[in-house]
Amino acid sequence: DIQMTQSPTTLSASVGDRVTITCRASQSISNWLAWYQQKPGKAPKLLIYKASSLESGVPARFSGSGSGTEFTLTISSLQPDDFATYYCQQYNSASPWTFGRGTKVDFK
Amino acid sequence: QVQLHQWGAGLLKPSETLSVSCAVYGGAFSGYYWSWIRQSPEKGLEWIGEINHSGSTNYNPSLKSRVTVSVDTSRKQFYLYLSSVTAADTALYYCARVLLDRNAFDIWGQGTMVTVSS
Repeated sequence: DIQMTQSPTTLSASVGDRVTITCRASQSISNWLAWYQQKPGKAPKLLIYKASSLESGVPARFSGSGSGTEFTLTISSLQPDDFATYYCQQYNSASPWTFGRGTKVDFK
Repeated sequence: QVQLHQWGAGLLKPSETLSVSCAVYGGAFSGYYWSWIRQSPEKGLEWIGEINHSGSTNYNPSLKSRVTVSVDTSRKQFYLYLSSVTAADTALYYCARVLLDRNAFDIWGQGTMVTVSS
């Protein structure tokens, strides 16, 4: 299976901060990388697909980049609604779908 | 707007079979794969398996020997069965829609908590 390693595990930030989360794949996944946001008691919500494509309805302050094995999710100016846990997810035809262990963004 | 609604037994004893159902409302059933994903503190988010409208399935090799995913296209429902459960199968189980051109899960059910305990 392809392992997805996210960092950091926890990130403390303030409203207005620029936030960057990294996801590393154990082997190349081209650009088949998605990012999700999850809030307590809720299902994950798709934010980004194909590494850098913004899902419809997702604010433009979210952006994704990367290819191969290194990917980043950036929130350009953190808003109160953005305090949540973020997960990356990979697709590769030779592996089952796998997710990172998550990055919790909390108040500094 | 497409919504997924899921339901199933919440408390099982070891060795029993887990059963969770998911219904699709407000959108097409054909043309997608429909997945099951579970979440636990120990394993995080774990993909279990998927099915399309014609019954073609894919399973996570780590669970394949115990998992069956089936579909009832006429009802726009799909189902998860996990046999011989143990405490390690205690998790929040989600159904989700797969967008094949994006290889991502865009619509999720509300989740069904399943606890395995003697």
